[in-house]
Amino acid sequence: ETGVTQTPRHLVMGMTNKKSLKCEQHLGHNAMYWYKQSAKKPLELMFVYNFKEQTENNSVPSRFSPECPNSSHLFLHLHTLQPEDSALYLCASSQDLAGAGDTQYFGPGTRLTVL
Amino acid sequence: GENVEQHPSTLSVQEGDSAVIKCTYSDSASNYFPWYKQELGKRPQLIIDIRSNVGEKKDQRIAVTLNKTAKHFSLHITETQPEDSAVYFCAASPGAAGNKLTFGGGTRVLVKP
Repeated sequence: ETGVTQTPRHLVMGMTNKKSLKCEQHLGHNAMYWYKQSAKKPLELMFVYNFKEQTENNSVPSRFSPECPNSSHLFLHLHTLQPEDSALYLCASSQDLAGAGDTQYFGPGTRLTVL
Repeated sequence: GENVEQHPSTLSVQEGDSAVIKCTYSDSASNYFPWYKQELGKRPQLIIDIRSNVGEKKDQRIAVTLNKTAKHFSLHITETQPEDSAVYFCAASPGAAGNKLTFGGGTRVLVKP
């Protein structure tokens, strides 16, 4: 599937590093999302962007900084992470946030390990 | 905010049998309920969804039922096959907040040949 792509697929970083995750959607959607998927926990919504504007920040620590330069691209900038931040980070997109119930399409995720 | 509970957390069935996964939600304003399937090492993919103006929806071997009064919805898989083995997630979306999804904890389904 190439609708939603994410890079890198795997990332290992130290607690003092700065790195960025990238998501790109080729579906012409207007809304993009970041989720965190940890073992034994539900998928947790982190951020929502609609037409490049952030509409949701689900109490995410400031060491995670999102950026949405346009409707097709979404970044997650990482800085001074903790080992408990190790998880699968999933990006998703959907057509339009305004109408409830449009399908979210997920990317393959970035497996992040913080040492 | 919304809270979604999903049961069971693991489910083992014999090939050909049915599997049922149940979810409850807390926000009566929720009106969209998708189900996602995530195979090992792969992304979650939508398999079926239901909106609050419908009580049941079917797609081949998969069906979803919704009881708005009781605030619960269920996924039914009939004639299970080994390729149905995966983790299944339910989710709920409060309509007033647009498409913000709250997910259940997931059910790991194992279909034994």
